[in-house]
Amino acid sequence: DIVLTQSPATLSLSPGERATLSCRASQGVSRYLAWYQQKPGQAPRLLIYDASNRATGIPGRFSGSGSGTDFTLTISSLEPEDFAVYYCQQRGNWPLTFGGGTRVEIK
Amino acid sequence: QVHLVQSGAEVKMPGASVKVSCKASGYSFNTAGIIWVRQAPGQGLEWMGWINPNNGNTYYIENVQGRVTMTTDTSTSTVYMEVRSLRSDDTAMYYCARAPVAKMGPPGAFDIWGQGTMVTVSS
Repeated sequence: DIVLTQSPATLSLSPGERATLSCRASQGVSRYLAWYQQKPGQAPRLLIYDASNRATGIPGRFSGSGSGTDFTLTISSLEPEDFAVYYCQQRGNWPLTFGGGTRVEIK
Repeated sequence: QVHLVQSGAEVKMPGASVKVSCKASGYSFNTAGIIWVRQAPGQGLEWMGWINPNNGNTYYIENVQGRVTMTTDTSTSTVYMEVRSLRSDDTAMYYCARAPVAKMGPPGAFDIWGQGTMVTVSS
């Protein structure tokens, strides 16, 4: 199985700051990586698919990059509603897998 | 509007079975697969498997193979997931989500999610 390792586990930032989240795959997944946001008590929400494509309705401050084994989710300027847990997920090979998550918390 | 609506919370004894439903609306049911993800309390997301409503093809992770069955009812645009021989570590929120069928290989990203169904396994 492809293991996705997310770092850091927790990111403590202030509103307005830039957030950079990393996801590393144990083997190459081409560009078949997605990012999801989950807030407490809610289902996950798709942010980015195929490494760099924003999903419908996702604000422009969210961007994704990378290919192969190294991927990044960037939030250019954190809004109060962006403090949440973020998961990466690969569809490069069966079985599909998620990373362990990065919590973005208010500093 | 596209929606996935799941059945309500369940409490089950160890060894019992549970069947969770996921009803789709707002799109053509056979144009996308459905995946299931579970999340134990305070933990991350675990992808469990998927079903293609077009042909009934399924894929289950090894961890649940033999205990989980996913089925579809195309007449009601509903997907079901049954988990048998429940254990305490099956206690989790279970989510269904839409996953577009890819031309080759695994399905696309999960763009629409159900609200979740809490399954509690306790004696």
